[in-house]
Amino acid sequence: DQQVKQNSPSLSVQEGRISILNCDYTNSMFDYFLWYKKYPAEGPTFLISISSIKDKNEDGRFTVFLNKSAKHLSLHIVPSQPGDSAVYFCAASLAEGAQKLVFGQGTRLTINP
Amino acid sequence: DTGVSQNPRHKITKRGQNVTFRCDPISEHNRLYWYRQTLGQGPEFLTYFQNEAQLEKSRLLSDRFSAERPKGSFSTLEIQRTEQGDSAMYLCASSSGQGWTQPQHFGDGTRLSIL
Repeated sequence: DQQVKQNSPSLSVQEGRISILNCDYTNSMFDYFLWYKKYPAEGPTFLISISSIKDKNEDGRFTVFLNKSAKHLSLHIVPSQPGDSAVYFCAASLAEGAQKLVFGQGTRLTINP
Repeated sequence: DTGVSQNPRHKITKRGQNVTFRCDPISEHNRLYWYRQTLGQGPEFLTYFQNEAQLEKSRLLSDRFSAERPKGSFSTLEIQRTEQGDSAMYLCASSSGQGWTQPQHFGDGTRLSIL
């Protein structure tokens, strides 16, 4: 039962253009959503989050959009830079209880010069 | 460095042996999590501590796995009688308990290889 899905295993974008990573979820009880970036041999690094009461959160080049009716969130990176090449994971949690994270499978983003 | 620290970074052992990993969370964080990640997948939740109390365990955590967090500081994860299927990256994360919108911060993990 994959509650959080990232259907694109990989994405290739030209430097300077916009990168859009997508994520779908099935559990309507999720209240908090996060994006993590992971480089090889390192742990996931927190990027940006959004709570269910919002539909957009922006931090510098990163913007997360949440569409609760569609159970869909996306991460926009603009402009894309070579250092953005990494695996990106979306994750979701419930407001109550342990707030354990449920992760998608990840999308490998490659920024081409 | 005040991030989450995990030791060892790599562990190679023979099937049937016991292994123990250590996690030191960010000092002011009272919540500590263990996750497991296999190739091509996202991290999967194993267990969670609030201070020294272990409050939730995943059904992924068989009786060969045990985790502790004495005194609510560092945590250890022990795997007894290791099996081939235990080969994975074991990740530790910590977060502040203030409010439910506090992100979890991860260490670099311990990679376990079972021969």
